[in-house]
Amino acid sequence: NAGVMQNPRHLVRRRGQEARLRCSPMKGHSHVYWYRQLPEEGLKFMVYLQKENIIDESGMPKERFSAEFPKEGPSILRIQQVVRGDSAAYFCASSPSLAGGDTGELFFGEGSRLTVL
Amino acid sequence: GENVEQHPSTLSVQEGDSAVIKCTYSDSASNYFPWYKQELGKGPQLIIDIRSNVGEKKDQRIAVTLNKTAKHFSLHITETQPEDSAVYFCAAPHGSDYKLSFGAGTTVTVRA
Repeated sequence: NAGVMQNPRHLVRRRGQEARLRCSPMKGHSHVYWYRQLPEEGLKFMVYLQKENIIDESGMPKERFSAEFPKEGPSILRIQQVVRGDSAAYFCASSPSLAGGDTGELFFGEGSRLTVL
Repeated sequence: GENVEQHPSTLSVQEGDSAVIKCTYSDSASNYFPWYKQELGKGPQLIIDIRSNVGEKKDQRIAVTLNKTAKHFSLHITETQPEDSAVYFCAAPHGSDYKLSFGAGTTVTVRA
């Protein structure tokens, strides 16, 4: 019974390169959320997706960041032309239905740690 | 938007003693308050949550209390053990229950 799977666990990029982070939700979960954690800080919401739909991207930076959750395959968080300030841990979470309902829980993956040189 | 303040930022306790972490929130409409535990190199894991229709909830050695009037909630860990050492985050929803605003975290160290 695999949990939320994220890869890569660690990614190093030089300024200006692209970073792609992947997330496979738990089996049976159709709701995916991406959060970002800067060093010594709590997690900050970025985006909520269902299959083929972006439901809420209010936490996404306006430029260079995009997310998708295709019909087949994992959810992807894409960061173009990375800058040093993008260095952070990016966590994906999933839930079987809308989080905060009777099921309540967001299940988090172990994160992808991006370092921009 | 929701603003969640968490205190203390670090907490060191002797094994067997209790640990208490406190959080305040700003949005009076919030009604769901989860607590997450994050171990080094891992993702956050939900340990307990509370909804605004109750004032206290317990699960073995952990408990959460909620004061909606004062807009604060607390995590209580009793009979602490070394495996309780981790970073603990409180959270409250920002408009929707999936859009959580997290506190800055409390690093708990349990001394053997």
